[in-house]
Amino acid sequence: GAVVSQHPSRVICKSGTSVKIECRSLDFQATTMFWYRQFPKQSLMLMATSNEGSKATYEQGVEKDKFLINHASLTLSTLTVTSAHPEDSSFYICSAPLGGVAYGYTFGSGTRLTVV
Amino acid sequence: GESVGLHLPTLSVQEGDNSIINCAYSNSASDYFIWYKQESGKGPQFIIDIRSNMDKRQGQRVTVLLNKTVKHLSLQIAATQPGDSAVYFCAGGSYGQNFVFGPGTRLSVLP
Repeated sequence: GAVVSQHPSRVICKSGTSVKIECRSLDFQATTMFWYRQFPKQSLMLMATSNEGSKATYEQGVEKDKFLINHASLTLSTLTVTSAHPEDSSFYICSAPLGGVAYGYTFGSGTRLTVV
Repeated sequence: GESVGLHLPTLSVQEGDNSIINCAYSNSASDYFIWYKQESGKGPQFIIDIRSNMDKRQGQRVTVLLNKTVKHLSLQIAATQPGDSAVYFCAGGSYGQNFVFGPGTRLSVLP
């Protein structure tokens, strides 16, 4: 079935550095990608929606300059956490609708970011 | 705004029994609903979806029921297995757009 491959699965970085998370759609074209973060024992919270070839739409309270999203192709969307701080430590997840007649959604496997 | 919530935060069932996880939503304009499971430390896994023009949809061992009158949907898992232990989320919205996720129900399968 349709798969979104998300990398890295885990990353530890120092405060002040930047981290890039990639989500690739392997056998379908992801015109839209949703980026979520999830805190322990909580549900997914949407950060932004990226659409191929256009600027991402950010949810209220999400800093555009801190969480840079790029969706340059139909198979790749990236989230870059810039100038990371310990409070950015979280589980980041991407998701894409399968589109067409398939309906359904697929999720990346998530990235556990720890900022030290 | 939209809100989606679950009636029971935890559910324990005996292996082999059927499980029913319930969910309520508030936005009557929602026309697409999905169920996901998430195992500890892993990303969500899509289980099944249903459109608002349907009231029932079946998958492999799972059935989703939608009652638009009372804005309620449920996920039924037949012959629950240990591998079904996870947190289950419902979400509602419109296809292709963002969903509102419920807080999750933890399903524990007892041997």
